[in-house]
Amino acid sequence: GAVVSQHPSRVICKSGTSVKIECRSLDFQATTMFWYRQFPKQSLMLMATSNEGSKATYEQGVEKDKFLINHASLTLSTLTVTSAHPEDSSFYICSASDSKETQYFGPGTRLLVL
Amino acid sequence: EDQVTQSPEALRLQEGESSSLNCSYTVSGLRGLFWYRQDPGKGPEFLFTLYSAGEEKEKERLKATLTKKESFLHITAPKPEDSATYLCAVQAPGGYQKVTFGTGTKLQVIP
Repeated sequence: GAVVSQHPSRVICKSGTSVKIECRSLDFQATTMFWYRQFPKQSLMLMATSNEGSKATYEQGVEKDKFLINHASLTLSTLTVTSAHPEDSSFYICSASDSKETQYFGPGTRLLVL
Repeated sequence: EDQVTQSPEALRLQEGESSSLNCSYTVSGLRGLFWYRQDPGKGPEFLFTLYSAGEEKEKERLKATLTKKESFLHITAPKPEDSATYLCAVQAPGGYQKVTFGTGTKLQVIP
């Protein structure tokens, strides 16, 4: 149980384009989902928290107009990186929390912006 | 501000050599402490949740314990497949269920 999927697992795009990453909780309903970014050899940095049906809460320093988050249902959240630039290249990981507020993580999406 | 410090940063063990990883935390009221395992290029895998001092949980060769200031992840007779980065995270009371992660301990178990 408690499986979270992410799609795509890897994406390469040109600078200036937008990229959408999907996060799904497969076997449970997640009222709250989280988006993290992880740089090489560093821990997870929380970008934003999203609750189903409401606006996401962004962490300080994270541009909400650049990283658009939509949490349309209890099993799906999307992160769109708009007008991506090489500095946006990173490993993006989502998580979904269950009724006991334990976060279960997806496998991550490796983004490379050329 | 919530803080989580993990030590050591890296640990190299011989197969079968038991050891412990430490997670020290400062939080204004602990709602939960979480242990995760992360393999390179993958998302963290949930291991344990601990809620109160004195609580212990076990899973195969792993045992997590909790005091009011720190948590330990004990690894008994580790195998090479236990090699990974182990992350600790704490959750404080309040909205949004936000957790604060430590920087992790990278464990390498040598055959």
